[in-house]
Amino acid sequence: EPEVTQTPSHQVTQMGQEVILRCVPISNHLYFYWYRQILGQKVEFLVSFYNNEISEKSEIFDDQFSVERPDGSNFTLKIRSTKLEDSAMYFCASSAGTGKWSNQPQHFGDGTRLSIL
Amino acid sequence: SQQGEEDPQALSIQEGENATMNCSYKTSINNLQWYRQNSGRGLVHLILIRSNEREKHSGRLRVTLDTSKKSSSLLITASRAADTASYFCASLIQGAQKLVFGQGTRLTINP
Repeated sequence: EPEVTQTPSHQVTQMGQEVILRCVPISNHLYFYWYRQILGQKVEFLVSFYNNEISEKSEIFDDQFSVERPDGSNFTLKIRSTKLEDSAMYFCASSAGTGKWSNQPQHFGDGTRLSIL
Repeated sequence: SQQGEEDPQALSIQEGENATMNCSYKTSINNLQWYRQNSGRGLVHLILIRSNEREKHSGRLRVTLDTSKKSSSLLITASRAADTASYFCASLIQGAQKLVFGQGTRLTINP
């Protein structure tokens, strides 16, 4: 069964450094998402992406964050200058559908555990 | 209370029993999705119910949706030890392209 893959599984970075989290969504999906889960807390939406642009972003997704689809298969999340509070599990997801909105299941990767020191 | 609240927060039952988890949400939705998460792992999609549906089945799973009460329930029948995990509801907000998750229910199945 097709799945969303994320790399690396664990990233340790010094505060203030840039980090790029990588995702390969399911191949025929057109909608891409990033979520994060701080340890012990609920999963929080960060950003959704469709047709090469951001559809929606949360208040967490400030100008330190950016997303990119550099080629036909990868979807990346960049944090420019990491803070201690960015430590969390980051999940990529993708969904099928057509048009501006997807009403299909969102399939998640196994996540990247980001630890900021 | 916030969008996407679940109860109970924790549930412990014997293998073979049924487990019911409830979820409430605040705003209008397009669909509601249920996920399972094993400790420290990713979110596994279980089932999706659309706003115009009232009940859906998938194997041992039964999901109901009551849009008038803004609530949903997930029933797992004939539970197994392997069902031990955290279960989350996530509502797809109408007019938005994002899921809003609940706090989750930690389910423990005792052999």
